Amino acid sequence: AQSVAQPEDQVNVAEGNPLTVKCTYSVSGNPYLFWYVQYPNRGLQFLLKYITGDNLVKGSYGFEAEFNKSQTSFHLKKPSALVSDSALYFCAVRDSGTYKYIFGTGTRLKVLA
Amino acid sequence: DVKVTQSSRYLVKRTGEKVFLECVQDMDHENMFWYRQDPGLGLRLIYFSYDVKMKEKGDIPEGYSVSREKKERFSLILESASTNQTSMYLCASSLDPLAGRKNNEQFFGPGTRLTVL
Repeated sequence: AQSVAQPEDQVNVAEGNPLTVKCTYSVSGNPYLFWYVQYPNRGLQFLLKYITGDNLVKGSYGFEAEFNKSQTSFHLKKPSALVSDSALYFCAVRDSGTYKYIFGTGTRLKVLA
Repeated sequence: DVKVTQSSRYLVKRTGEKVFLECVQDMDHENMFWYRQDPGLGLRLIYFSYDVKMKEKGDIPEGYSVSREKKERFSLILESASTNQTSMYLCASSLDPLAGRKNNEQFFGPGTRLTVL
């Protein structure tokens, strides 16, 4: 069965510092991995995805994520955090051969000025 | 830009009422989804549809039904609303990932915050 874990409910980081939001997954086939961001009272916005190819994926707003097959992880990163990055972040996985996307419980990122 | 719209941002209904939530997408996506979002639980899939008139149950279908009569429209129906259905409801659409389409990330609507009294 597919599953996604976001082990941290909240991550606090100072503005200008690098940030990491963690995600691990479990699928039986090849994973398709996604990160989304949600601002207050809004729907989710797509940030980036891993399908195949390079393990380091670059996305919107300066975010990137590294696919690590051996550790079954897909952590979201940004070299220098902005206060405006403060939001709720969701990791999602889809197993090849299925329509369903499984979402993590979300990590609230707080960037402090 | 892909646009997914939902009929209401906020809705207040009474226990026992029949509730319709409408979702429309304008990008000719094959797949459409309904989720509910609750604090600490993330997004949970209620139903999805991979084609017109086709639907499949997600992880929490009890108390809900759906309708997809046209490709662009996917409706969620609460047959008899209950207080435990108070939640944020999110609709999403995507290209069909099983048709070899690599750009199959989901696009979400703004959400409907439903309160059942």
